[in-house]
Amino acid sequence: AQSVTQLGSHVSVSEGALVLLRCNYSSSVPPYLFWYVQYPNQGLQLLLKYTSAATLVKGINGFEAEFKKSETSFHLTKPSAHMRDAAEYFCAVSPEYSSASKIIFGSGTRLSIRP
Amino acid sequence: DGGITQSPKYLFRKEGQNVTLSCEQNLNHDAMYWYRQDPGQGLRLIYYSQIVNDFQKGDIAEGYSVSREKKESFPLTVTSAQKNPTAFYLCASSDGGIYDGYTFGSGTRLTVV
Repeated sequence: AQSVTQLGSHVSVSEGALVLLRCNYSSSVPPYLFWYVQYPNQGLQLLLKYTSAATLVKGINGFEAEFKKSETSFHLTKPSAHMRDAAEYFCAVSPEYSSASKIIFGSGTRLSIRP
Repeated sequence: DGGITQSPKYLFRKEGQNVTLSCEQNLNHDAMYWYRQDPGQGLRLIYYSQIVNDFQKGDIAEGYSVSREKKESFPLTVTSAQKNPTAFYLCASSDGGIYDGYTFGSGTRLTVV
């Protein structure tokens, strides 16, 4: 069965500092991996996705993530945090072969930005 | 522009009443999903439908019901059997594959008063 674990329910960084949000997955088959962002009282928006092409994936708003099979990780990074990055971030996994099209979401990490 | 529309944005319900949340999409997606979101618990799948006139229970279907009579619409009814219905509800859709992930609506916040 697939699962995803996000380490740290809350991360706080200073404006301009590196953002690192951690995600580890469990999958018996090659997975598709996603990062979503949710601003308060809104739905989720796709930030980026890994679909077995390049292991370093670039997304919107300056975010990127690297797929590391040996570490079963897909951590999200951004070199310099902005105040507008304050939101909840969700990592998600889906097995590549799946016809049921069910994506499994992590429990989320709330990112706060200090001025 | 194509997208998913959830209505209403905020909904208040008295205990013992059923209430229906609307979800409409114009993306021509085959699959639609309902999630419940509570603080600190991420997203939990309530029901999903991969095709018109067919749907399956998710992880927390008790106290909820759905219908899928049209491709564009997937309404969720929160029944009086749902013991703790106050939550943020999210509807999503996909083209049936998993390559592009899901497209989400903006959510409905249900409060029981």
